Parts: sequence; C-alpha cells; structure tokens
Amino acid sequence: AQSVTQLDSQVPVFEEAPVELRCNYSSSVSVYLFWYVQYPNQGLQLLLKYLSGSTLVESINGFEAEFNKSQTSFHLRKPSVHISDTAEYFCAVSDQGGSEKLVFGKGTKLTVNP
Amino acid sequence: NAGVTQTPKFRVLKTGQSMTLLCAQDMNHEYMYWYRQDPGMGLRLIHYSVGEGTTAKGEVPDGYNVSRLKKQNFLLGLESAAPSQTSVYFCASSYGGSQNTEAFFGQGTRLTVV
Repeated sequence: AQSVTQLDSQVPVFEEAPVELRCNYSSSVSVYLFWYVQYPNQGLQLLLKYLSGSTLVESINGFEAEFNKSQTSFHLRKPSVHISDTAEYFCAVSDQGGSEKLVFGKGTKLTVNP
Repeated sequence: NAGVTQTPKFRVLKTGQSMTLLCAQDMNHEYMYWYRQDPGMGLRLIHYSVGEGTTAKGEVPDGYNVSRLKKQNFLLGLESAAPSQTSVYFCASSYGGSQNTEAFFGQGTRLTVV
C-alpha cells in the first residue's frame, strides 16, 4: 500500500522568497505523483503531476517538482512566491498498476506574508 | 461543462439523523471517490467506486454507505449521524486505470453534526 508524508504542516515565508514543500512517499510499485492546491473555501485543483519521462515537472504558475526515485521524494519548489500562492498544498500518489486509490498526504499550509 | 458537482454545499444535522450527499460528474469518468477533510488530517478516503454498480471501502468507511447506480452519480449516505462526522466532504472522479492521471474535485460539502 502507498503512503505519503508531508514533512511540514505549516510553512510561513515572505513574498518573493523561495520555498520548498517536502513530500516523501512509500510504495512497492512504480507510482504516479501529484501536487494539488486548495485555496481557502475551495476544492482541490491539480497543480502538477509526474507520470513518466523527465523527472522535473513544472506548473504554469512557476512551481516545479522533481521526482527522485532513490530518495522516494517529490518536493515542490518555487523560486519566488507571491501573496496569491497562500494556500494548502497536498502531495498525492497512485500506483502505475492502475490502483483504484489516490492517497494524499496531510497537507502543507503555505502562508506568504508581505 | 460542470465537472464535479456536489449537493448540498452546507448542512447541519442533529445526532442520529440521516442524510445523503450527492456527487455528479459529466466527464464520463469510471472512478469516483468520497473523501473527508479534517484539520491536520489531510484527505482521508471513505469509499470509492471503479465503475457503475461497484463500490469499495477506503481508509475510514465506518458510519457511511455509498451507491453507484449510475456511472455519473456517486451517493454518500450517513444512516445515523454522529458529531465525529462533522467534516468537509469532497467528491472526486478520474478516468482510473492506466489513464489515472488526474482527479477532479467538487467544491465540497461542509457538514456539521450537533
């Protein structure tokens, strides 16, 4: 069975600072990896995903994540954050065998301060 | 294109009352999920379905039942509500299987049991 660990429950940063949100997973099979974002009082939206190929994946709003198989990690980074990036971020995993389940981490609340 | 629609958006129940949450998707997805979100707990899978007429238990199924009589609808029932079921409930859907590349979420149902 898969599991996801998000190492930080809250990350406060100042605007224009870099940020890294950490995610580690465990699985006995090859996986798909996802980052979802949840803005206040909204549902979750897909931010980016790793399916195969290049281990570095990017989103349209400047976030990127790198799949590291040896360290079983999929950390999310952004070189310069904006106030509007304030949200909760969830890492998720499903296995490439077509598992029915999408398993989420407990989330990291990113707060960007002026 | 409505995506995933949850009904109702808010509800207050008294302990012991029953209710049904409705999830509808118009993307012809095979897989549908019900999650609950609680502070500090992330999203926990309650039940899921891999196709019309099928359901399976997730991580926290006790106190809930589900039905998938039509491919586009996934119902979550609470037969006898308890205060511990106070939560925000999210429905999601995806293609599943080898195409399980993204889950689409509804806007959530905020349920309070008093």
